[in-house]
Amino acid sequence: EAGVVQSPRYKIIEKKQPVAFWCNPISGHNTLYWYRQNLGQGPELLIRYENEEAVDDSQLPKDRFSAERLKGVDSTLKIQPAELGDSAVYLCASSLGRGYYEQYFGPGTRLTVT
Amino acid sequence: QKEVEQNSGPLSVPEGAIASLNCTYSDRVSQSFFWYRQYSGKSPELIMSIYSNGDKEDGRFTAQLNKASQYVSLLIRDSQPSDSATYLCAVNAASGSARQLTFGSGTQLTVLP
Repeated sequence: EAGVVQSPRYKIIEKKQPVAFWCNPISGHNTLYWYRQNLGQGPELLIRYENEEAVDDSQLPKDRFSAERLKGVDSTLKIQPAELGDSAVYLCASSLGRGYYEQYFGPGTRLTVT
Repeated sequence: QKEVEQNSGPLSVPEGAIASLNCTYSDRVSQSFFWYRQYSGKSPELIMSIYSNGDKEDGRFTAQLNKASQYVSLLIRDSQPSDSATYLCAVNAASGSARQLTFGSGTQLTVLP
C-alpha cells in the first residue's frame, strides 16, 4: 500500500514569494491533516479535513495561508506571501476516519525562506 | 504548562539495554495516545498506539498508560543502534473548542554500540 505522497520535498524561496505544497493521502483515508514542524519541536496542526470539509483550521494563519482539498482526495497548502518565520518542514498526514485514530505522515516538504 | 511534556534528552543507553521514554500530559479527558519515531531528516513514523490503562506490547516495544497519573511511557527492550532517533509522544488533547493530536517536543535517544 502506497503511503502519503508529498511534493516538492524541498523548496527555497525568497520572502514575499508564494509557495504551494501538494499532498496525496493513503488511498481510502478520508481525514487529511497539514502540520508544521520547526526544528526541535513536535508537529503542530495547521488544518484538518474530513473529506473535502475543513473541520479544524483554528491554527492556520489565514492572512497568508490557505488550503484546499478538492474532491476529498488531494490537498494543496499555499503560503502567500512567505515570511522568514515560515521556514519549517510542512507535513501532511492522513487517517482512516473521524477523530484522531492513527495518523500516517508523508515525507514532508522542507521550506527555506531567505 | 505545556500540554504534552517529554524530557528532551539526549538519552543514551548501551546496546542491548532497555530504553525508557516518558511523557506526561495535562488534559484529563484524553483517550488516545501515540508514540512516533523520527529519524533525523525524516518524517514521524507511528510505532505504537494505546487507548486503555496498562501495558501494550509489540515486539521489542511496550507502551504503558496510566490515566490517573496522566502518564504514558515507551519501553524499548534489547535496544539497537538503529533505534537511535527522536521519539515523539502524541496525545488527543483539547485545543480551544476542538480536540487535536498534540505532540511533545520529543526525546532524542542514542543507542551506543
